[in-house]
Amino acid sequence: DAGVIQSPRHEVTEMGQEVTLRCKPISGHNSLFWYRQTMMRGLELLIYFNNNVPIDDSGMPEDRFSAKMPNASFSTLKIQPSEPRDSAVYFCASSWTRRREQYFGPGTRLTVT
Amino acid sequence: AQTVTQSQPEMSVQEAETVTLSCTYDTSESDYYLFWYKQPPSRQMILVIRQEAYKQQNATENRFSVNFQKAAKSFSLKISDSQLGDAAMYFCAYKGNEKLTFGTGTRLTIIP
Repeated sequence: DAGVIQSPRHEVTEMGQEVTLRCKPISGHNSLFWYRQTMMRGLELLIYFNNNVPIDDSGMPEDRFSAKMPNASFSTLKIQPSEPRDSAVYFCASSWTRRREQYFGPGTRLTVT
Repeated sequence: AQTVTQSQPEMSVQEAETVTLSCTYDTSESDYYLFWYKQPPSRQMILVIRQEAYKQQNATENRFSVNFQKAAKSFSLKISDSQLGDAAMYFCAYKGNEKLTFGTGTRLTIIP
């Protein structure tokens, strides 16, 4: 039983470059969440989708961040252009309703130099 | 807005002993869920245990159990027979109608 899959696991890029993070939720789950974790701010919800539709993107820090969910089994989080302050661990999580427990992927550690 | 407070930034316990991690929350909702997540050095967020607010019985998962006190808005995690693999950050989390809200975490160290 595969859990939430994220890729890449590590990403190192230079400031100004575009970064795309990918997520495959658990099959059958209809809610998907993107989080960012830093030492300073802890875990922050960036955006969540319900049935592939973005419901709340109030946590997206800037217009440089965008997220899509073209189908029930795939989502992307894009940062363009990236900045050093975007360095963090980005988690994707899914649940079968938005009220129930969320299962997290292994995270993507992003380093922007 | 809901808040989750973990007042113990760090805890340590001797291997095979029992430790309790504290969590309190603030809410005006009557229907909600509470969770404990574990984040080991691998950084994977692992669901440890969950509790539905409408259930009076405390949840248990093997060596992990909770003490859920709804009136006091308290949700502590007890780890029995602590093992080296239990060393991790533990996050308490609340889920009502809004987003999943996490506490700041408690770093648990297991002393061999």
